[in-house]
Amino acid sequence: DVKVTQSSRYLVKRTGEKVFLECVQDMDHENMFWYRQDPGLGLRLIYFSYDVKMKEKGDIPEGYSVSREKKERFSLILESASTNQTSMYLCATLPFREREIYEQYFGPGTRLTVT
Amino acid sequence: GQNIDQPTEMTATEGAIVQINCTYQTSGFNGLFWYQQHAGEAPTFLSYNVLDGLEEKGRFSSFLSRSKGYSYLLLKELQMKDSASYLCAVCSAGKSTFGDGTTLTVKP
Repeated sequence: DVKVTQSSRYLVKRTGEKVFLECVQDMDHENMFWYRQDPGLGLRLIYFSYDVKMKEKGDIPEGYSVSREKKERFSLILESASTNQTSMYLCATLPFREREIYEQYFGPGTRLTVT
Repeated sequence: GQNIDQPTEMTATEGAIVQINCTYQTSGFNGLFWYQQHAGEAPTFLSYNVLDGLEEKGRFSSFLSRSKGYSYLLLKELQMKDSASYLCAVCSAGKSTFGDGTTLTVKP
């Protein structure tokens, strides 16, 4: 059974703190993604990675960085958390198969509150 | 750029049929996906279209017209548990762009 896990369901942090959100998958998928989801704004792509040690900016990378040292783990880092980063953060994975299309598999999400 | 539009909210009656539309303007296209998301949960995959036409999957069907930049999700025999948000997503160059989602409320 496909499994994507995220380190926390709920997280409360203070402004200026460094925050790590972890995502782990057990499906051997090449591609991993970090989104944030806000009411009225939908799912927005922050960063994604096609392979170990590779990363690409998404649509809203400002204020975030990522790390992918192992294939199964993709970390999102908020260097200095701010209140406008309060959001639901969703990790997703996607297999790469040439000339084939697959759906994304999502983790349960982390609801981050920055006070 | 990428632009995906879908209605914000819809209401329908249990047992009825509802159609959720999605229009898109994207710089590339590899496929269009529909996801269901219940409140407080992660999105789960429902259906996808790569070629024009209708794809049927039980009570759910999805239609695509690439020339018109248009898709719809059709839900038949609505059940209360179908109350959720439905997300349209266009896949291009290995990543997906999502619409804001349509919140469907099913009433008895």
